[in-house]
Amino acid sequence: DAKTTQPPSMDCAEGRAANLPCNHSTISGNEYVYWYRQIHSQGPQYIIHGLKNNETNEMASLIITEDRKSSTLILPHATLRDTAVYYCIVRVAMNSGYSTLTFGKGTMLLVSP
Amino acid sequence: EPEVTQTPSHQVTQMGQEVILRCVPISNHLYFYWYRQILGQKVEFLVSFYNNEISEKSEIFDDQFSVERPDGSNFTLKIRSTKLEDSAMYFCASSRQGAAGNTIYFGEGSWLTVV
Repeated sequence: DAKTTQPPSMDCAEGRAANLPCNHSTISGNEYVYWYRQIHSQGPQYIIHGLKNNETNEMASLIITEDRKSSTLILPHATLRDTAVYYCIVRVAMNSGYSTLTFGKGTMLLVSP
Repeated sequence: EPEVTQTPSHQVTQMGQEVILRCVPISNHLYFYWYRQILGQKVEFLVSFYNNEISEKSEIFDDQFSVERPDGSNFTLKIRSTKLEDSAMYFCASSRQGAAGNTIYFGEGSWLTVV
């Protein structure tokens, strides 16, 4: 099961910042927080990931609380094309030592004009 | 920007037929994955593959499924005898390394319809 909790849906006005929250209270010290999004039934698109520190790239910013129990994905200037399901995923190591992704239901972000 | 490519984008097959879905992972990646998404449901992990071996598989990945890297560029998922419930979008993915800090990149998917 996914180790994260996200709101099922959020709305955002075009041009405004979209702040998507995620709770991961049982995260372990060596587990990363990843964000992906999925537009319609396209393949999941990588957005950003982090371990402890806040991260920023050309798509978004990731703010991780000091206790690492929650995080927020920020899309600074949302556009209509950002309408998608956003997945917050804690990346867990499998028995083999490798690590895969367990998707939950995510947050459906609707950006409106 | 390098990307994972998948073929076919859509395939319709008769129940009981064999299907092979093909993927070209990102060229310098060593770890390969298949996921699937039944319409309206979550994206589910099927299998991971490294060094010509399955490294991990889910309960979904039963004896009807197999994966192969037949050459240096392709990675395939074979379903031996398709069932109606195999209808789904199948996503191939790859990463440079297998550890958690290495990003997994997904292809656009192959939509399989079993009739």
